[in-house]
Amino acid sequence: QLQLQESGPGLVKPSETLSLTCTVSGGSISSSSYYWGWIRQPPGKGLEWIGSIYYSGSTYYNPSLKSRVTISVDTSKNQFSLKLSSVTAADTAVYYCARRAMIVVYYYMDVWGKGTTVTVSS
Amino acid sequence: DIQMTQSPSSLSASVGDRVTITCRASQSISSYLNWYQQKPGKAPKLLIYAASSLQSGVPSRFSGSGSGTDFTLTISSLQPEDFATYYCQQSYSTPGTFGQGTRLEIK
Repeated sequence: QLQLQESGPGLVKPSETLSLTCTVSGGSISSSSYYWGWIRQPPGKGLEWIGSIYYSGSTYYNPSLKSRVTISVDTSKNQFSLKLSSVTAADTAVYYCARRAMIVVYYYMDVWGKGTTVTVSS
Repeated sequence: DIQMTQSPSSLSASVGDRVTITCRASQSISSYLNWYQQKPGKAPKLLIYAASSLQSGVPSRFSGSGSGTDFTLTISSLQPEDFATYYCQQSYSTPGTFGQGTRLEIK
């Protein structure tokens, strides 16, 4: 059974870089059928897609965050990572990693990690 | 970005009720529409993809319909475990934007 687990610091200072890792277990991140993504949810608010990566390193980013976001993959460790630079309090959120599956031309996030809370504060 | 608007924002209903949640896109998205359920403190769970396809393992009381700009999620007979927040998401274009959510509460 595929599982995703987020890890990383729960507290980041303003202007610094948020760094999170998602470890995939029970399956290979190098599967040709999937992308791997990050989604976040500020406290009491809705969901925001951050970006996705293919095992080859191909990426898609939310244009609203693109200047600050880097998503990378390490196939040897079955992990992918998120870096978000120059954070502010507005980046405080629960960060989820998820698998993006596709059937025909339709894609959707079908497996999610439990999420990790990141607070931006001095 | 494509804007997704859900209605209502919140809804009170009783066990056994039939419930419908609506999602409207700011432009046509064909059938590129997913529905997720989220319970407090938990990750979202995929219910419906491609507007009307039921994800494996999801009870058949959940159904989705629509195409173009207007979509609905219907729960045919509410169960206690269905009280949660529901989100639609378009997968037509990047970024895959979500609706603001519909909170389904027990009456």
